[in-house]
Amino acid sequence: GAGVSQSPRYKVAKRGQDVALRCDPISGHVSLFWYQQALGQGPEFLTYFQNEAQLDKSGLPSDRFFAERPEGSVSTLKIQRTQQEDSAVYLCASSLVAGVVSEQYFGPGTRLTVT
Amino acid sequence: DQQVKQNSPSLSVQEGRISILNCDYTNSMFDYFLWYKKYPAEGPTFLISISSIKDKNEDGRFTVFLNKSAKHLSLHIVPSQPGDSAVYFCAASAPDTDKLIFGTGTRLQVFP
Repeated sequence: GAGVSQSPRYKVAKRGQDVALRCDPISGHVSLFWYQQALGQGPEFLTYFQNEAQLDKSGLPSDRFFAERPEGSVSTLKIQRTQQEDSAVYLCASSLVAGVVSEQYFGPGTRLTVT
Repeated sequence: DQQVKQNSPSLSVQEGRISILNCDYTNSMFDYFLWYKKYPAEGPTFLISISSIKDKNEDGRFTVFLNKSAKHLSLHIVPSQPGDSAVYFCAASAPDTDKLIFGTGTRLQVFP
């Protein structure tokens, strides 16, 4: 079945480089979420879209992080001037509805390693 | 400040026995709770959820119990199977927000 897909699955960046992580949600899903999961921790919320509108970006750790979903489907998380503390797995999730908490469907994640 | 806590990093259970995974939370505004299972190199998979208006929800071998006064929930798996070996995350959500707050996870190992 067509679940949430993310690309690339693995990314190695040198400190200071910019990276772009892509998320393809399940078709028709209104809500899209980005989470960051550090080693040994649970996922931590970064930002949330309802269709193309970014309704919550309270979890973005700095202004180096930027996310967009211009047409309400595919989303890109961009990290500028990467630093070692950005190394983590970045998870994307989507859910069918908005405004009602329901299960979120997660992609496999992108493992970012900053050297 | 960890609002959702899973104090047991790991649990080992024999096949066929009951597995009990625990989760505590501090925010009394949380009104919806979910459990996710995660295998290596995969994203978390939804398992079961419970609303704060209930104290129990059951789905096959999985049952979640909620004790609001203690701010505690638990996931029971019975009987446990080797395929249940994974990391289990507890997550919570507050009203007027769709974002989930996750615990740090408990690694369950079910041995034959």
